[in-house]
Amino acid sequence: QKEVEQNSGPLSVPEGAIASLNCTYSDRGSQSFFWYRQYSGKSPELIMSIYSNGDKEDGRFTAQLNKASQYVSLLIRDSQPSDSATYLCAVTDSGYALNFGKGTSLLVTP
Amino acid sequence: GAAVSQSPRYKVAKRGQDVALRCDPISGHVSLFWYQQALGQGPEFLTYFQNEAQLDKSGLPSDRFFAERPEGSVSTLKIQRTQQEDSAVYLCASSPSPGTGAALGNTIYFGEGSWLTVV
Repeated sequence: QKEVEQNSGPLSVPEGAIASLNCTYSDRGSQSFFWYRQYSGKSPELIMSIYSNGDKEDGRFTAQLNKASQYVSLLIRDSQPSDSATYLCAVTDSGYALNFGKGTSLLVTP
Repeated sequence: GAAVSQSPRYKVAKRGQDVALRCDPISGHVSLFWYQQALGQGPEFLTYFQNEAQLDKSGLPSDRFFAERPEGSVSTLKIQRTQQEDSAVYLCASSPSPGTGAALGNTIYFGEGSWLTVV
């Protein structure tokens, strides 16, 4: 069973702060890692993808990957109320399926 | 079209009824995926098509679930003799490249989902 674990939250941060979302995975063969954002009642939307160890930055978002520790994280700088959503971590090997975690609910308070 | 379109958006089925859920992927997209998302859970993979070929159906929960994409564009997910545990959002997704295409920086685009409630 390929497990992807996330803290369900809710994670509450004040506006302007850094939100830190974490994810661990069990399959050492995993090659690619994704963060999706899902607003209530809406479809998942890709935020970041990362394939190599280290950091990848895109605007206010930074994804961090540590394959040795089987850990991937997402940092959101200058958090805004519009960032309030569920963040899904997804992992894949070379196959066809994305394995999703249950998601972490983020609440950014004004 | 420029977005993945799914219909119906909402479906209430009586237990034992058959349902069919339709997905119109983004025009020209090679890959098509079906996922099932129960309330409070992440999406779970059901099946994958590359053009008209169903290359992976390992996630289909039982033989009551059947999917097809006969002409390599529109896809239908059929659930026979629905049961209460089938109640979920069924998400269709498409992408321009084969597989998850992760190394190619492929983006998978999700539709809004079909919300199925079995009563």
